[in-house]
Amino acid sequence: KQEVTQIPAALSVPEGENLVLNCSFTDSAIYNLQWFRQDPGKGLTSLLLIQSSQREQTSGRLNASLDKSSGRSTLYIAASQPGDSATYLCAVREPGNMLTFGGGTRLMVKP
Amino acid sequence: EAGVAQSPRYKIIEKRQSVAFWCNPISGHATLYWYQQILGQGPKLLIQFQNNGVVDDSQLPKDRFSAERLKGVDSTLKIQPAKLEDSAVYLCASSLLQSFGSGANVLTFGAGSRLTVL
Repeated sequence: KQEVTQIPAALSVPEGENLVLNCSFTDSAIYNLQWFRQDPGKGLTSLLLIQSSQREQTSGRLNASLDKSSGRSTLYIAASQPGDSATYLCAVREPGNMLTFGGGTRLMVKP
Repeated sequence: EAGVAQSPRYKIIEKRQSVAFWCNPISGHATLYWYQQILGQGPKLLIQFQNNGVVDDSQLPKDRFSAERLKGVDSTLKIQPAKLEDSAVYLCASSLLQSFGSGANVLTFGAGSRLTVL
């Protein structure tokens, strides 16, 4: 059974710092990996999707990497801003179309 | 483009009562998902529809949970009778296709329905 783990569970940084969020998964037989952002009381917003054949995806200040063989992905946020404060979730899509989520990392960026 | 609509946003009930949640996906999205998100955890898939057929309901507690998508558009998730451990946010999501290896399977989520069972 696929297990997705996100470390750290919570992170607090001062504004302007570059930071890395980690996601690991136990079964490397995945089709893709997706990073989401969730604001309090809101649904999930898709940030980046990396296909299993890709190594990374970039969108603005966000860069996500994927190392399928080692079961790891990272989300890099450059020059963090208070508006980046949210919970960040990674999810892997497996054969059978199951999408399995990690527990999330709660990020707080202090002004 | 209108997003995924869900209602009600909040619901408080007592245990053993019943509750129903409604979801209207993005127009043209064939695939619809219901997820349960308990506080502090990631979402867990309850059921997935492709048009009006069930693709995966392996994690749906079928003794108390039911879901339908009769015309392949809107969907309803029902809980009867509710238990304390059902307190969670119920998220609905939709995607254009179920095909793999394609950006078309990016999920779009609704804002969720928060259930509190007392």
